[in-house]
Amino acid sequence: DGGITQSPKYLFRKEGQNVTLSCEQNLNHDAMYWYRQDPGQGLRLIYYSQIVNDFQKGDIAEGYSVSREKKESFPLTVTSAQKNPTAFYLCASIGAPGNTIYFGEGSWLTVV
Amino acid sequence: KQEVTQIPAALSVPEGENLVLNCSFTDSAIYNLQWFRQDPGKGLTSLLLIQSSQREQTSGRLNASLDKSSGRSTLYIAASQPGDSATYLCAPLMSSNTGKLIFGQGTTLQVKP
Repeated sequence: DGGITQSPKYLFRKEGQNVTLSCEQNLNHDAMYWYRQDPGQGLRLIYYSQIVNDFQKGDIAEGYSVSREKKESFPLTVTSAQKNPTAFYLCASIGAPGNTIYFGEGSWLTVV
Repeated sequence: KQEVTQIPAALSVPEGENLVLNCSFTDSAIYNLQWFRQDPGKGLTSLLLIQSSQREQTSGRLNASLDKSSGRSTLYIAASQPGDSATYLCAPLMSSNTGKLIFGQGTTLQVKP
């Protein structure tokens, strides 16, 4: 079945480490997104990509980096510069304007 | 810059009540608006998608309306059930910059048996 797969589901990071969250889609969608959600809060946009080899910063891009080398993949790296990375991270994709947006199941990141 | 507001932030109702969730947005140049449901610790599930040319969309007990000119959308839930308890989020998709997708803060609904 088509969909979006995020991994890992749970991740623990030591202070000072970089970690990478995976997002893969087999929906042939052009646009992909990364959001952060803190407990009891809404979704905040980190980065988005409308096409391979191109991406734009969202509202809270500091301390994060992304790449879009393949249409189906949009990994997010949480760098040591992100001072408060503990949150729930969600990946989404959309095929074209006017179409339904699809979400992955999310990844929980905790700093230990 | 698009800003999306959802009211109320939280709602608790007895089972069987009809209820309305509100979503307002500041920039009316949208392609469409989508309503989502989120269960605790889970991703988002699409409920309804309303194109900018439509006024409403229905799926089962759910009805979503869109007034693009006034920057408002409502989600109507008929005969609420405990299984409807979740957070509901709206997201307008912009025309001028179709890449950027901004969400409201959501309305957390609790339906009591």
